[in-house]
Amino acid sequence: AQSVTQLDSQVPVFEEAPVELRCNYSSSVSVYLFWYVQYPNQGLQLLLKYLSGSTLVESINGFEAEFNKSQTSFHLRKPSVHISDTAEYFCAVSGGYQKVTFGTGTKLQVIP
Amino acid sequence: DTGVSQDPRHKITKRGQNVTFRCDPISEHNRLYWYRQTLGQGPEFLTYFQNEAQLEKSRLLSDRFSAERPKGSFSTLEIQRTEQGDSAMYLCASSTGSGANVLTFGAGSRLTVL
Repeated sequence: AQSVTQLDSQVPVFEEAPVELRCNYSSSVSVYLFWYVQYPNQGLQLLLKYLSGSTLVESINGFEAEFNKSQTSFHLRKPSVHISDTAEYFCAVSGGYQKVTFGTGTKLQVIP
Repeated sequence: DTGVSQDPRHKITKRGQNVTFRCDPISEHNRLYWYRQTLGQGPEFLTYFQNEAQLEKSRLLSDRFSAERPKGSFSTLEIQRTEQGDSAMYLCASSTGSGANVLTFGAGSRLTVL
């Protein structure tokens, strides 16, 4: 069985400030971890993924996430947010050939 | 490649009616997934196919729900005798089915049951 917990349902942050969106997971097998983003009125898009190798993964728009096996976490961070980052962010886990399980989401609201 | 397509994008129906949604995955993807998303929640797994075989179905899924993927290409999700609680966004996603199982989602089909 696998599950994902996103501890914050909403995170307000001022523009150009740093942000961290928290994600913890549980799984009985080795995992692949993902962050998906849903912009207003749009579908889910893959933001970044951890498959293996380096525990720090980055997206093309400045987000990064670090896989921490001992803490079973995969927190998402960005050092300086922009208005365009306003969206809902979903953490997800997959045991490879198993289904992908999503968290309940965190709404990031960037305040001008 | 036009991505994952879902039809219709919006469906309004009366309670008790049947509805059907269609999903066309990315052509080279052999896995197809259905998820349901309600307001304030993350996508909830419903079922998935490897080619034409339905490999897993959520235990939470009522027997009013049925999905097919007859030729291993497009899929349909039918809801019989709809209830107001079925109102949600129904998401389809596809993947290659290898390795990490990275999903590509469609835009979704929004169902409103009056």
